[in-house]
Amino acid sequence: SQTIHQWPATLVQPVGSPLSLECTVEGTSNPNLYWYRQAAGRGLQLLFYSVGIGQISSEVPQNLSASRPQDRQFILSSKKLLLSDSGFYLCAWQSSGASEQYFGPGTRLTVT
Amino acid sequence: KQEVTQIPAALSVPEGENLVLNCSFTDSAIYNLQWFRQDPGKGLTSLLLIQSSQREQTSGRLNASLDKSSGRSTLYIAASQPGDSATYLCAVIGVDSNYQLIWGAGTKLIIKP
Repeated sequence: SQTIHQWPATLVQPVGSPLSLECTVEGTSNPNLYWYRQAAGRGLQLLFYSVGIGQISSEVPQNLSASRPQDRQFILSSKKLLLSDSGFYLCAWQSSGASEQYFGPGTRLTVT
Repeated sequence: KQEVTQIPAALSVPEGENLVLNCSFTDSAIYNLQWFRQDPGKGLTSLLLIQSSQREQTSGRLNASLDKSSGRSTLYIAASQPGDSATYLCAVIGVDSNYQLIWGAGTKLIIKP
């Protein structure tokens, strides 16, 4: 069966510090991968999606970036965090474009 | 542009009641519609996926229906339990959305013991 992991589970970082969040998927090959952010009391915002290694699409301009160094690994990064980057970051995968999406447990990021 | 609306934003009912959550979308050209559940501080759990050619899907006490022509879906929860308390989100993949999920804002459900 397929499993999706995210780490760390929680993170507190000062403004201006770098960020690296990791997501890995087990039990499937060539998944579509997604990064979402959920701000407190708000809906999900799609940040990045990837349909293959090295293929990253960005939905919103921001100081975040994403990379997919391996088929089942998706990384969210920032060189310098802003206060507005605080939120709940969710990774998701799906086997093909119109199939069911499955979410990871999320990372709670607080920028202080 | 596809828009997804969920009404009500919050709902509180006594345990044991049957209830219906609503989801509407503005463009009927969709591939599928998915219902999720989110517990506070947790990730999303996929509940049901309805393909555009289907009318309903069932899983245990949950039944989701889809009326694509009218742009509506409902999630029916039978015999509600306190453990059903969560935020319920619906999302569609539109034909013109490049396979991206378009999300509703969710319905926060509280089941009172």
